[in-house]
Amino acid sequence: AQKITQTQPGMFVQEKEAVTLDCTYDTSDPSYGLFWYKQPSSGEMIFLIYQGSYDQQNATEGRYSLNFQKARKSANLVISASQLGDSAMYFCAMSRETGGKLIFGQGTELSVKP
Amino acid sequence: SQTIHQWPATLVQPVGSPLSLECTVEGTSNPNLYWYRQAAGRGLQLLFYSVGIGQISSEVPQNLSASRPQDRQFILSSKKLLLSDSGFYLCAWSVTANEKLFFGSGTQLSVL
Repeated sequence: AQKITQTQPGMFVQEKEAVTLDCTYDTSDPSYGLFWYKQPSSGEMIFLIYQGSYDQQNATEGRYSLNFQKARKSANLVISASQLGDSAMYFCAMSRETGGKLIFGQGTELSVKP
Repeated sequence: SQTIHQWPATLVQPVGSPLSLECTVEGTSNPNLYWYRQAAGRGLQLLFYSVGIGQISSEVPQNLSASRPQDRQFILSSKKLLLSDSGFYLCAWSVTANEKLFFGSGTQLSVL
């Protein structure tokens, strides 16, 4: 069965510093996608970044980058130069090759300190 | 551009009352549609998904049902709400399977 694990319930980071949010996954599918979403206190889910299992390079989107280590089955999110507005819940998610549907981890609450 | 509308934003219902949450998508055709539930401080649990009109797949047995009467309309229903149905409900759509999801703004449901 597929599973996504986020082992950090909460994280603190100083403004302007970089932070890494951990995500590990388990799947037997040869093809899958990995996603990160941000959920501010308003509740909306904001897509941040995507990594395909066959992508050779790590995905980057502005201040967000995904540290994809396929052999270790990890897909950590790196946020560079943290801003106060980055304070939110962050969810890692995985899609299956067939049938679509994303499954989500339990989330990490990130707090950025001024 | 595509947009997704979900309403109401908040809902307080007594135990045993019916439920109807509606979600509509604009600007795209034949989207994949999803209902997720999020318990307080937890991750998202997939409840239902649909790849076309009248096609509903349920992920977990529960007190809820879903329907897709039109291509871009997805409805979450219950005949009799339970306390355990409380939570934050999110509708989402994607172009195809395995692509990123676009989420609605969510409905906070409190069953008292």
